[in-house]
Amino acid sequence: ILNVEQSPQSLHVQEGDSTNFTCSFPSSNFYALHWYRWETAKSPEALFVMTLNGDEKKKGRISATLNTKEGYSYLYIKGSQPEDSATYLCASNTGKLIFGQGTTLQVKP
Amino acid sequence: NAGVTQTPKFQVLKTGQSMTLQCAQDMNHEYMSWYRQDPGMGLRLIHYSVGAGITDQGEVPNGYNVSRSTTEDFPLRLLSAAPSQTSVYFCASSRTPGLAGPYIRTDTQYFGPGTRLTVL
Repeated sequence: ILNVEQSPQSLHVQEGDSTNFTCSFPSSNFYALHWYRWETAKSPEALFVMTLNGDEKKKGRISATLNTKEGYSYLYIKGSQPEDSATYLCASNTGKLIFGQGTTLQVKP
Repeated sequence: NAGVTQTPKFQVLKTGQSMTLQCAQDMNHEYMSWYRQDPGMGLRLIHYSVGAGITDQGEVPNGYNVSRSTTEDFPLRLLSAAPSQTSVYFCASSRTPGLAGPYIRTDTQYFGPGTRLTVL
């Protein structure tokens, strides 16, 4: 993997559904993996930063895992709510921060 | 603290015009960077700086110049604007670039509010 890639590009779920997204990144020269939440017309805001293989982070209904050996991270949202609607960005820190293209989540009430 | 500030918020240019997007932070952050955001492409790194006097190219540097004469300011210059540079530009800063040791690799980047640029 040469770039930071996220899938799916967009996701539509019903309120109450649980969902997850994938971030793939180059596993060489890896320092940290960042997740950001980006609401329309606002600036990206940090969710998690993870550095170690096997790291798991949790904030409320949102959690993330990290596999540095195979170069991927998952972001999970449990019981999605309409206010979770946003674009979720991951970024690989190799001395500079390179972002994926994001996963746009739309939660329908 | 004002955090990361950007000016202007909106700008319309004609092809061939030059301009400077301003970015400033008052958090004494070493690392500053410029991104552009285009539909379906996330954030792409234009240029970054790991400290005053040091700059480097990101993923999409062509058509842009930067300088870092002070810790606080990191202006982005468009030398001769082109319609392909129509985008939303974000400036960001963090304490460190992530190279100086494992205990500071986790520094979060703080983003400015963005500048929406249209080149006609």
